[in-house]
Amino acid sequence: GQQVMQIPQYQHVQEGEDFTTYCNSSTTLSNIQWYKQRPGGHPVFLIQLVKSGEVKKQKRLTFQFGEAKKNSSLHITATQTTDVGTYFCAGISNQFYFGTGTSLTVIP
Amino acid sequence: NAGVTQTPKFQVLKTGQSMTLQCAQDMNHEYMSWYRQDPGMGLRLIHYSVGAGITDQGEVPNGYNVSRSTTEDFPLRLLSAAPSQTSVYFCASKDGGLGQYFGPGTRLTVT
Repeated sequence: GQQVMQIPQYQHVQEGEDFTTYCNSSTTLSNIQWYKQRPGGHPVFLIQLVKSGEVKKQKRLTFQFGEAKKNSSLHITATQTTDVGTYFCAGISNQFYFGTGTSLTVIP
Repeated sequence: NAGVTQTPKFQVLKTGQSMTLQCAQDMNHEYMSWYRQDPGMGLRLIHYSVGAGITDQGEVPNGYNVSRSTTEDFPLRLLSAAPSQTSVYFCASKDGGLGQYFGPGTRLTVT
């Protein structure tokens, strides 16, 4: 069946370092979305990528969608303590398939 | 707008009991969905609905029923609770091709 894998599962960084999480699907996706969940909170939508090779930026966050529409990445430049949380990708084919998430800890 | 609301916030059930998790949204979204979140497994889709009167199964539908009689409400029913259903349950809704809005979640423990 459809699988969306995400790596790494955990990432600890010093404040100011960069962070990247990767998302890979076993099948081609129509589009992909990214969500952030703070500890004890609910997922919050960040962005959607639709086109092959698409790159979008939100301040220090850069999102990419692979050429084959089977992988995606989220890169955060110069992390801050406010970036703490779990980042999920969600691949969309006939329904939503969430990745397992990457938990980011930022050490001040 | 209240967004997506869920009740209860916490619930403890005994094995074999049934209950309904409530979900409501006031944004007139056609699409609504239920997920369960377990440690290390991300969010798994249980059931979803693309509009009133229409429901469909997600990745892990066994043991759960849903109905969608109105646009606003999408309750999730546990037929006979099992310890394996201990989880955090999230309801979500969306408008068209945009991202989903999630409710605050229900923490369910089945003993």
